[in-house]
Amino acid sequence: GAVVSQHPSRVICKSGTSVKIECRSLDFQATTMFWYRQFPKQSLMLMATSNEGSKATYEQGVEKDKFLINHASLTLSTLTVTSAHPEDSSFYICSAKSPVGFGYEQYFGPGTRLTVT
Amino acid sequence: KQEVTQIPAALSVPEGENLVLNCSFTDSAIYNLQWFRQDPGKGLTSLLLIQSSQREQTSGRLNASLDKSSGRSTLYIAASQPGDSATYLCALPVTAAGNKLTFGGGTRVLVKP
Repeated sequence: GAVVSQHPSRVICKSGTSVKIECRSLDFQATTMFWYRQFPKQSLMLMATSNEGSKATYEQGVEKDKFLINHASLTLSTLTVTSAHPEDSSFYICSAKSPVGFGYEQYFGPGTRLTVT
Repeated sequence: KQEVTQIPAALSVPEGENLVLNCSFTDSAIYNLQWFRQDPGKGLTSLLLIQSSQREQTSGRLNASLDKSSGRSTLYIAASQPGDSATYLCALPVTAAGNKLTFGGGTRVLVKP
């Protein structure tokens, strides 16, 4: 089946620093990947759509200068949280749309827990 | 704007009992519906995807039904096990290309041994 990985799984950083999170599709090429944010006991909130070879599309209210997205290849998208602050602490999950199989099924990574101190 | 609701928010059942999880949506013009499982602190695992032309999908002990006219999907898990304890989420794509997913709030399930 389609597998999506994320790295790191957990990161702690100091306020003001930047953190990069990687999302990889391991066994398929994904022209489109998605970045979500999840607060404790809440559902997922789509932050942006990452398109290979073009600029990401951000959802309303998401600061594009703070959350930099780069879809460098058909198997890799990165999310960089710039000048992180404690309120950026959250669980970040990426997903990739599989071009094979059945009906645009999305496959999700295991998530990255970001803690900003 | 599509709104997705999952009720109840939490459910506790004894082992062996069948689970019935509900997902309601406001706009019946859907393309497909996907059910996910999320374990605490983990990402999402895709369970089943039902196309809009289908009425149900089955995988092992899982069966998902879809009734577009009433705006409902139901996930049935037969003979529940403690390992089924997790949060179950349903999601619908906003467009035919299946890009943006709108998620329900999830149902947190606890299967007691």
